[in-house]
Amino acid sequence: SAVISQKPSRDICQRGTSLTIQCQVDSQVTMMFWYRQQPGQSLTLIATANQGSEATYESGFVIDKFPISRPNLTFSTLTVSNMSPEDSSIYLCSVAPSTPGQGRTYEQYFGPGTRLTVT
Amino acid sequence: AQTVTQSQPEMSVQEAETVTLSCTYDTSENNYYLFWYKQPPSRQMILVIRQEAYKQQNATENRFSVNFQKAAKSFSLKISDSQLGDTAMYFCAFMKPAISGGSNYKLTFGKGTLLTVNP
Repeated sequence: SAVISQKPSRDICQRGTSLTIQCQVDSQVTMMFWYRQQPGQSLTLIATANQGSEATYESGFVIDKFPISRPNLTFSTLTVSNMSPEDSSIYLCSVAPSTPGQGRTYEQYFGPGTRLTVT
Repeated sequence: AQTVTQSQPEMSVQEAETVTLSCTYDTSENNYYLFWYKQPPSRQMILVIRQEAYKQQNATENRFSVNFQKAAKSFSLKISDSQLGDTAMYFCAFMKPAISGGSNYKLTFGKGTLLTVNP
């Protein structure tokens, strides 16, 4: 499976500021995703990071709040903008190495996560 | 929309014994994938096992196996010979693949079951 790293691993930020989280994969992958895991909760998909085009956001998440970049097939960033304490969560990127539409099983592998605390 | 339900918020088992975690889901799709992920205190999400809905045979990975009942929309995880390192939060997840990319490939997670293996 792919080896995924995230930076930073954790951060404490003041409200009103922004934080950019990086996700790096050791091989080219077709799809990359960003998830949020609020304290004690399950994971919720924020958006799919598309290489060379705008990200696809899930209901309840908007580009102005969570801008995403994906300049190539091994790297993506998620920015949490104008943060409030409600944004305190673990943010995880995941990748899906399999090529869609080939009838093969599709697995997602997760990075170690970034623990964000907003004060 | 798909939903995933894990009715057991917490479970415990003695080391070397067997434990079963339950998961049910709701979908109108015929073709889909199901997964169990493990999240230990380190918070790294680890893929434990996957099941393709078109396969009747239950998936097995070493000490981990599933009981997939498609008609009942049930997907339980059995852990045999439990080890202390199995202590973690376990998430059941559903994915409906699509020909094109985007959010149709998203994982929908249950709320998780916290499993504690006691010595």
